Amino acid sequence: GAGVSQSPSNKVTEKGKDVELRCDPISGHTALYWYRQSLGQGLEFLIYFQGNSAPDKSGLPSDRFSAERTGGSVSTLTIQRTQQEDSAVYLCASSFVSSTGELFFGEGSRLTVL
Amino acid sequence: ELKVEQNPLFLSMQEEKNYTIYCNYSTTSDRLYWYRQDPGKSLESLFVLLSNGAVKQEGRLMASLDTKARLSTLHITAAVHDLSATYFCAVDPGTYKYIFGTGTRLKVLA
Repeated sequence: GAGVSQSPSNKVTEKGKDVELRCDPISGHTALYWYRQSLGQGLEFLIYFQGNSAPDKSGLPSDRFSAERTGGSVSTLTIQRTQQEDSAVYLCASSFVSSTGELFFGEGSRLTVL
Repeated sequence: ELKVEQNPLFLSMQEEKNYTIYCNYSTTSDRLYWYRQDPGKSLESLFVLLSNGAVKQEGRLMASLDTKARLSTLHITAAVHDLSATYFCAVDPGTYKYIFGTGTRLKVLA
């Protein structure tokens, strides 16, 4: 596609439920990133993929969080047993590694845990 | 731990005035990025600075990078209301784990 696509754009869930957030990066971009932005805050790094592998998972807040990427393209961020503190906007970005390193962001998935 | 600090955090300025936003970082990096975020929207890339002394300009915004001082500036010339947004700088320390600054919320008053 022309840009980074994320879905759903909004998700309201009950505490304890699992959620899946999807990111479809720009075609040809080998690097994919997930960030989290809480209300009025900066961006918190979650995970980085180079191709299908994730050399850096250091930002995942807990073992309830996991992410995968298949076919070097689409990525899914899964949050199990959601908690209220998981409420945030989850941003996905992609880049072409051998270029300037500029990140291109999707519109984000706003997660609200009741 | 790499830290990226921006100041000011909040900036309210009159139209037609000039101001500078500062971005300081704590480790060696030759790559620094500026992004703009409008309320409820995602981040839009403004500038990519890839070497010491790099200067980029677009309209009323000009960004520069001093890697020796670990400092980047975003200068606003003759501000207009349309520039109201939150501005983030981000540093790539070479690990692809980009670290973003705290953001500067700019409000330009008519």
